[in-house]
Amino acid sequence: GQNIDQPTEMTATEGAIVQINCTYQTSGFNGLFWYQQHAGEAPTFLSYNVLDGLEEKGRFSSFLSRSKGYSYLLLKELQMKDSASYLCAVDDSWGKLQFGAGTQVVVTP
Amino acid sequence: EPEVTQTPSHQVTQMGQEVILRCVPISNHLYFYWYRQILGQKVEFLVSFYNNEISEKSEIFDDQFSVERPDGSNFTLKIRSTKLEDSAMYFCASSETGETNQPQHFGDGTRLSIL
Repeated sequence: GQNIDQPTEMTATEGAIVQINCTYQTSGFNGLFWYQQHAGEAPTFLSYNVLDGLEEKGRFSSFLSRSKGYSYLLLKELQMKDSASYLCAVDDSWGKLQFGAGTQVVVTP
Repeated sequence: EPEVTQTPSHQVTQMGQEVILRCVPISNHLYFYWYRQILGQKVEFLVSFYNNEISEKSEIFDDQFSVERPDGSNFTLKIRSTKLEDSAMYFCASSETGETNQPQHFGDGTRLSIL
């Protein structure tokens, strides 16, 4: 079956770093995406990994280990506006995204 | 920046009625998707569509559901006879190609409430 696991909630202080882990077991793998979703809004694309290693994009970085079925999203220099749900999604069949339940990040002053 | 637009933002319908959710994907995108998110739950894939055909569909996308691209810009999801459990946020998404490194861009969603 399909399984994408990520923590339910994480809290961090403004200016700090937070790492959101995601483990997956899917029938296929064509890449892993991270999306940000504010309450009541659409998911917005943050990053994509298909090869092992780290992808850096400004304050956000994402890491993938295919052999371990593991990814993380690193958020640096946290800002209040980063309070949102972060969704790990695996493309298991040419565009069919399987989403995790999301990790709610709460940034405190 | 171009965006995916969805109408209406909120639809309230009686159980058993038909409902059509509308989407205008980004203009140069070729691949279209529908997802749903029941309140408090994860985003779930429904269907993908390319070249006027369904490419993939999930177990959720049963005979009550259908998709159509009636013209060059709209992409619709029809639920033939709605059930209470169809209440959810429905997101349309599009991507430029079907290549796996192309992100899917999501619309703001239609909140469907079945009474």
